[in-house]
Amino acid sequence: GDSVTQMEGPVTLSEEAFLTINCTYTATGYPSLFWYVQYPGEGLQLLLKATKADDKGSNKGFEATYRKETTSFHLEKGSVQVSDSAVYFCALSDRGDMRFGAGTRLTVKP
Amino acid sequence: ETGVTQSPTHLIKTRGQQVTLRCSSQSGHNTVSWYQQALGQGPQFIFQYYREEENGRGNFPPRFSGLQFPNYSSELNVNALELDDSALYLCASSLAGGDSYNEQFFGPGTRLTVL
Repeated sequence: GDSVTQMEGPVTLSEEAFLTINCTYTATGYPSLFWYVQYPGEGLQLLLKATKADDKGSNKGFEATYRKETTSFHLEKGSVQVSDSAVYFCALSDRGDMRFGAGTRLTVKP
Repeated sequence: ETGVTQSPTHLIKTRGQQVTLRCSSQSGHNTVSWYQQALGQGPQFIFQYYREEENGRGNFPPRFSGLQFPNYSSELNVNALELDDSALYLCASSLAGGDSYNEQFFGPGTRLTVL
C-alpha cells in the first residue's frame, strides 16, 4: 500500500542553519503530498502541500518540491529559528486516508 | 471561520471500558477523518466519514466505530479498551471535491490514557 518514509531524528541545529528533512514515498496512484508540523501538546498544522509532480509548496520560509522521478518531497529551510522547534511529518493522500511518516523532531538552539 | 474542535481534551479510562470522543468539523467541511497517534509515532488512519457514511477504514478492529451527524460533527467510539489504545486521537475535517479533498485540517486531539 501507499507509504511514506522520512528521515529519522532527532535533528539539532543552531539558529540560522540550513535545514533538510528527507521524505520519500511509495504510491500506486498520483497522491498529494504534505508537510505537517506539530508543536508540543498540540495537533497537526499544515505547513505546505503539493498536488502534482514538479509543484513546489512553500510557507514561512519552508519549501518542498514534488519529485515524481525520485518519489521524494524533501523539506528545506534556508535559515531556521528557535521557534521552528517542533515535530515535522511528511504525508501523502490519494482521495481518502492520509498516510504519515514517523515524524522528525527538530530542535533549534540559539 | 471556526476550526476543528475536539472534546474532551484528556480522558482516563480503565481496561474493558468504553469511550466516546467528539469532533466538530471546520465550518463548511463535509468529511471527517479520525487518526490514532501513539507516543513518538505518526498518526495512523482509523476511518473517514462522508455525508454520514463510512468512506474508508484503516487497519483497526471493529471495536473502533464511528458516527457522523447531519451537521457533519462526528464521534469515535472505542469498546473494550485495551492498554495499547492509549494515544492521542486526532480528528481532521476536509471538503470533498477536487484538490481540496486531500487537504485535511486537524483538531488539537484528545489524549486517552487506559489504565
